[in-house]
Amino acid sequence: DQQVKQNSPSLSVQEGRISILNCDYTNSMFDYFLWYKKYPAEGPTFLISISSIKDKNEDGRFTVFLNKSAKHLSLHIVPSQPGDSAVYFCAASRSNYQLIWGAGTKLIIKP
Amino acid sequence: DAGVIQSPRHEVTEMGQEVTLRCKPISGHDYLFWYRQTMMRGLELLIYFNNNVPIDDSGMPEDRFSAKMPNASFSTLKIQPSEPRDSAVYFCASSLARPYEQYFGPGTRLTVT
Repeated sequence: DQQVKQNSPSLSVQEGRISILNCDYTNSMFDYFLWYKKYPAEGPTFLISISSIKDKNEDGRFTVFLNKSAKHLSLHIVPSQPGDSAVYFCAASRSNYQLIWGAGTKLIIKP
Repeated sequence: DAGVIQSPRHEVTEMGQEVTLRCKPISGHDYLFWYRQTMMRGLELLIYFNNNVPIDDSGMPEDRFSAKMPNASFSTLKIQPSEPRDSAVYFCASSLARPYEQYFGPGTRLTVT
């Protein structure tokens, strides 16, 4: 039972344009959502998070949107830069410390 | 700070052998997590500790796996005996106060032949 789904295995975006990564979840009890970025041969790195009481959180070029009614969240990166090329994981938590992870989306930024 | 340190970075062993993976969390962090990543199952939480005490080990696949945290600066994940299906990348992560925001080590790539 995949509670957190990232349906796009990969995404290719032109440098300078907006990258939008999507994540869907099935468990309405999740109350905290996170995005992590992972480069090859490294561990995931925390990027940005959002509580279920909010619908938007912004940090520099990164913005996460949460649509609770649709059980959907998205990560927007504007403008996209070559260093953003990585695998992005969506994760969710239900007031405990066990994160439920999506399968990841590989983002490729084209010069 | 040096971040979360894991050793070894790569381990190749034969089926039936004992494997020990090591982790040094970020100093001062009070949560430690062990994950396994495979192509088939993605990133899975195996076990986590709070203040050196195991809190949830429901993700440990079977009795062949064991984890310890003898002190705040060191943890081990042991597989005995190892099997080819244990081949994966094993990550250790730590966090402080905001346990959702975990800091990961570089991982140990385990290959069991």
